[in-house]
Amino acid sequence: EIVMTQSPATLSVSPGERATLSCRASQSVSSNLAWYQQKPGQAPRLLIYGASTRATGIPARFSGSGSGTEFTLTISSLQSEDFAVYYCQQYNNWPPKRLTFGGGTKVEIK
Amino acid sequence: EVQLVESGGGLVQPGRSLRLSCAASGFTFDDYAMHWVRQAPGKGLEWVSGISWNSGSIGYADSVKGRFTISRDNAKNSLYLQMNSLRAEDTALYYCAKAFGYFDLWGRGTLVTVSS
Repeated sequence: EIVMTQSPATLSVSPGERATLSCRASQSVSSNLAWYQQKPGQAPRLLIYGASTRATGIPARFSGSGSGTEFTLTISSLQSEDFAVYYCQQYNNWPPKRLTFGGGTKVEIK
Repeated sequence: EVQLVESGGGLVQPGRSLRLSCAASGFTFDDYAMHWVRQAPGKGLEWVSGISWNSGSIGYADSVKGRFTISRDNAKNSLYLQMNSLRAEDTALYYCAKAFGYFDLWGRGTLVTVSS
């Protein structure tokens, strides 16, 4: 099973500042990496897939980069609605391989 | 409207069974793989199980393998999760999700509580 590790667990950022979230895979997942945003009481929302492609309706301030085992989600200028928990997920070779999520990064107001 | 609606959750005793359902609408259901993802209270997301469009490929997390069974009925635009031998650690909000590998559509979830 591919283990996904996100860092930091919590990121304190002021509105308008840049946030950089990291995700590391225990083995290469190529570009088969997605990012999700989850707010309290809501289902996750797809932000990025293919490591760097924004999903429909996602603002340009969200960008993804990386391949292989190291990935980054950048939020260029944090808005109030961006404070949430962010998860990465690998989907390399499913089926038959299993899918796995990272443990999440909580972005909170500084 | 494109949506997924889960049902079937509830309070169940350890060792008992429960069957979750997910009703899909607004898209061609049998074009897509479908998955179950769960989230224990205050915890992160955990992939549970997935099934390909034609049920030809099925996978399970180690934590549920041998106890849970995923299935789908394309004629009814529905996804199912049969959960047997439930444990306290299965307590979670269970989401149904449409997939290209990544999950581009999620339901609101159905809560399963395993407790005596």
